Amino acid sequence: ETGVTQTPRHLVMGMTNKKSLKCEQHLGHNAMYWYKQSAKKPLELMFVYSLEERVENNSVPSRFSPECPNSSHLFLHLHTLQPEDSALYLCASTAGRVGDTIYFGEGSWLTVV
Amino acid sequence: QKEVEQDPGPLSVPEGAIVSLNCTYSNSAFQYFMWYRQYSRKGPELLMYTYSSGNKEDGRFKAQVDKSSKYISLFIRDSQPSDSATYLCAMRRAAGNKLTFGGGTRVLVKP
Repeated sequence: ETGVTQTPRHLVMGMTNKKSLKCEQHLGHNAMYWYKQSAKKPLELMFVYSLEERVENNSVPSRFSPECPNSSHLFLHLHTLQPEDSALYLCASTAGRVGDTIYFGEGSWLTVV
Repeated sequence: QKEVEQDPGPLSVPEGAIVSLNCTYSNSAFQYFMWYRQYSRKGPELLMYTYSSGNKEDGRFKAQVDKSSKYISLFIRDSQPSDSATYLCAMRRAAGNKLTFGGGTRVLVKP
């Protein structure tokens, strides 16, 4: 248990559906991340939020929409996804001080059909 | 060229052997170096964390950083079947919140 909780753990959605992934951290951290992990590819950073403000968006398609309502919660809203978006989506958090490391949740397995 | 290179494996070793993993990188601005372990269908779990060059040991795990060569290593001694997992190296600059990962090396420890 890392203190970063993701729900749902598994999600199957059609290409026309709208769904959301949720992340919650209980560590008092002030920076949160979404990463994408596809088969045989390195972890890809999608978004970074620091103090609830988006500080990085790595050219992610607009069908992925993040939301950070407070420093403990992070959402990834999904709509009109493609089959190639099927992957493990990982949430992570850090205290944000220089040199702090990053702690990951267990991930949400997404399958787009 | 990728910023961080890591052999994908799989690396297969007999139980009790030393597992040797490494990553090379191209960005000299990286100052903090990490190793994560990821079991199948789980999130990455932090194993080792080092700053700048040098060695660090924690139980059966030893991490080495050689910034002059832009090369980092992780050694697992007395390997166990439970060490079978994918090992990811990661690194970050002094400032900012971004971690850059290697592609991971899959390790199989056979009983």
